[in-house]
Amino acid sequence: GAVVSQHPSRVICKSGTSVKIECRSLDFQATTMFWYRQFPKQSLMLMATSNEGSKATYEQGVEKDKFLINHASLTLSTLTVTSAHPEDSSFYICSARDPRDLGNTIYFGEGSWLTVV
Amino acid sequence: GENVEQHPSTLSVQEGDSAVIKCTYSDSASNYFPWYKQELGKRPQLIIDIRSNVGEKKDQRIAVTLNKTAKHFSLHITETQPEDSAVYFCAASRSGNTPLVFGKGTRLSVIA
Repeated sequence: GAVVSQHPSRVICKSGTSVKIECRSLDFQATTMFWYRQFPKQSLMLMATSNEGSKATYEQGVEKDKFLINHASLTLSTLTVTSAHPEDSSFYICSARDPRDLGNTIYFGEGSWLTVV
Repeated sequence: GENVEQHPSTLSVQEGDSAVIKCTYSDSASNYFPWYKQELGKRPQLIIDIRSNVGEKKDQRIAVTLNKTAKHFSLHITETQPEDSAVYFCAASRSGNTPLVFGKGTRLSVIA
């Protein structure tokens, strides 16, 4: 299957700082990528849809100025958590569909654990 | 938008017994229904999926059924083993570049 890679897998940052998470499609081009957040013992909640060459579409309740998404190429989307606070500590995971896969399968990155101290 | 409900939230079964997890969805345009198994701190692992043109799909001990009219789909695991213990999520989406919407998850415990 297609491969989606995410980096870093774990990051610890201080309150008030920003942290960037990268999501790459390694063997296919992804015009769209999806970012999810998962708090402990909860489900994956869609944060935003990242669109190559245009603005991301954010879900209701997700602050676009706090969670900056950039999708500058067909293989890379980045999520930047700005002015991070402890409540932003969570598991962030990206996903994308391989356009060659007519089966509509979605591929996930490995996920990134963010801890804000 | 789509809303996916999943039950039960926790499920304990004896090793060798069957486990059934049920989900309902709201968007009649959804046509892709995957099931994921997730270990703590790791990405969801696709275990089986079904598309709206099929009513049932089976892969060894795992099967999924879909009732489009009632808008519900179920995961069936037979002959459960301790290594089946994990959190399972159902999801639904439309075709094209649309995101998956997940259920809240079911924590399955298989007791040896």
